[in-house]
Amino acid sequence: SAVISQKPSRDICQRGTSLTIQCQVDSQVTMMFWYRQQPGQSLTLIATANQGSEATYESGFVIDKFPISRPNLTFSTLTVSNMSPEDSSIYLCSAEEDGGAEAFFGQGTRLTVV
Amino acid sequence: AQKVTQAQTEISVVEKEDVTLDCVYETRDTTYYLFWYKQPPSGELVFLIRRNSFDEQNEISGRYSWNFQKSTSSFNFTITASQVVDSAVYFCALDLYNTDKLIFGTGTRLQVFP
Repeated sequence: SAVISQKPSRDICQRGTSLTIQCQVDSQVTMMFWYRQQPGQSLTLIATANQGSEATYESGFVIDKFPISRPNLTFSTLTVSNMSPEDSSIYLCSAEEDGGAEAFFGQGTRLTVV
Repeated sequence: AQKVTQAQTEISVVEKEDVTLDCVYETRDTTYYLFWYKQPPSGELVFLIRRNSFDEQNEISGRYSWNFQKSTSSFNFTITASQVVDSAVYFCALDLYNTDKLIFGTGTRLQVFP
């Protein structure tokens, strides 16, 4: 099974600033995803990180606010731009190996915007 | 539309009791996968099980068992002889075969008291 490392694990940021979250997988994976989990809520898919092309965003999420990169098959970044307190959430990176097997998750990044 | 419903918001039991977490899903697709994840207080998502839509066999893994019934679109999860370490939020999720995107239920918070 793939092991996913996310950095940072938590951060407290000032409103108006941006934070980039890194996701590193210990093996090449076909699919990588970014989810948001607002306090006490379920997980919502932000986007699918596509290797070598622009990410595919879900309804309600836009590239200007959540730019995503995926330069290769093991690494992706999510940036939360121009943050406001409403962006305070846990952000989770997920990966699926080829063949549609289990979706593995990183430990998440707990973001607090003050 | 695809949807996952976990009607039980919170369940409290005393150690050694059996507990069943309900999951009902909606999809028109004939090929899909169902998952259960555990999210302990530390925040990471721990994969528990993946079941494809063509396999209705129930599964048992130690104290955990899963009952998949396509006729009622349910994928229920039972913990036998619960332990304090089982305290967590449990998420049921649906993965459509042609999208690889997970649709999560709202989660059930399980508290096991000694």
